[in-house]
Amino acid sequence: IVLTQSPGTLSLSPGERAILSCRASQTVPSSFLAWYQHKTGQTPRLLIYGVFRRATGIPDRFSGSGSGADFTLTISRLEPEDFAVYYCQQYGNSPVTFGPGTTVDV
Amino acid sequence: EVQLVESGGTVVRPGGSLRLSCVTSGFNFEDHGMSWVRQVPGRGLEWVSGINWNGNNLAYTDSVKGRFTISRDNGKNSLYLQMNNLRAEDTALYHCARGLTPARDNAFDFWGQGTLVTVSS
Repeated sequence: IVLTQSPGTLSLSPGERAILSCRASQTVPSSFLAWYQHKTGQTPRLLIYGVFRRATGIPDRFSGSGSGADFTLTISRLEPEDFAVYYCQQYGNSPVTFGPGTTVDV
Repeated sequence: EVQLVESGGTVVRPGGSLRLSCVTSGFNFEDHGMSWVRQVPGRGLEWVSGINWNGNNLAYTDSVKGRFTISRDNGKNSLYLQMNNLRAEDTALYHCARGLTPARDNAFDFWGQGTLVTVSS
């Protein structure tokens, strides 16, 4: 399954809402779709799994939605620490695949 | 505290071999599938290979099939990646990643810092 993320870059300010899109080339089985935040020099951080389930310790300003082949990550109000690269990942079909990423910058 | 520590990355010539290791601690290793995920500096994430909790279910991305072998030793809480016939395009930072479930294919809730593999003549 090929994942396409849009936009490639999202330029926003703290306090604004970010809406990131992830589109799959086919239906993601069992809604096995995850989102990660990645900052330079750090390891990727799991935000969302199973489309909408927040990982441990993830604040509720992060939410996931979608079904089938279209998924969205929403950050309700951007905090300064949220500026990073975000990847979607599907793990319902082998091989596991990641999207190319969306950069959220100021 | 969950820890995943990779080692084994180095500079190797095309056609050469390497074995990466990931030693884990702070959790019950047998409860989790594990994977290797790589990243070329400045580029995105690429899943390389995954293994289920007991090692009898394996998978690879197409570009490494027949060249890489994933394995695990639950007695040593360790994950391995044997890499043969290395190519320049295998150059990347290789992360060990813990799956949320015992299955082979997973979302990953903990990642190691990575070990750098450079394939160059």
